[in-house]
Amino acid sequence: SQQGEEDPQALSIQEGENATMNCSYKTSINNLQWYRQNSGRGLVHLILIRSNEREKHSGRLRVTLDTSKKSSSLLITASRAADTASYFCATRSNYKLTFGKGTLLTVNP
Amino acid sequence: EAGVVQSPRYKIIEKKQPVAFWCNPISGHNTLYWYLQNLGQGPELLIRYENEEAVDDSQLPKDRFSAERLKGVDSTLKIQPAELGDSAVYLCASSFTPPLAGGQNANTGELFFGEGSRLTVL
Repeated sequence: SQQGEEDPQALSIQEGENATMNCSYKTSINNLQWYRQNSGRGLVHLILIRSNEREKHSGRLRVTLDTSKKSSSLLITASRAADTASYFCATRSNYKLTFGKGTLLTVNP
Repeated sequence: EAGVVQSPRYKIIEKKQPVAFWCNPISGHNTLYWYLQNLGQGPELLIRYENEEAVDDSQLPKDRFSAERLKGVDSTLKIQPAELGDSAVYLCASSFTPPLAGGQNANTGELFFGEGSRLTVL
């Protein structure tokens, strides 16, 4: 079963624009993580935000977490063609990490 | 540092044949996961090991799937017999899980994934 649900399912933008992806989940969590997957490859961890944190930055990434709404957002600023990939949120509850269905981001040069 | 290594990368078999996937986690990682990923979907957990113990195999279809992690390092996932619906990517991941200290560990962190094994059942 998949707890997280990303929105939108697909997003197409121009290079240099910002990309925002949202994730909603259903049960209480310890932390929430975002992963990237290039076509035909494994997943790569991007950023982790704990349940007691509200915002976190890493380079061009900004993640927010609203536990009252059970939602998170991932913002990628100044996007590049190399950012083209699928992005997954994953919620950690106890020791279980559950992934959403992902957002396919296409950044056009 | 070497990442998570999986083999084979690709496997094509006929239905009812057996197939096995192998995973070598990152050195020192005590937790190993096998995930199933269907096309256009997120990974779904099949089994999680803490050292050599399978601590969560609730989503593993035990009639045809089996897994082992001898000596708490490498792991093998087997399907016998394979069915058409088993066509998917099988992902292995590892992480270091610190000992529980008085409650849930909110710092339990990231997973490191291998490149996956893509199975096609004809």
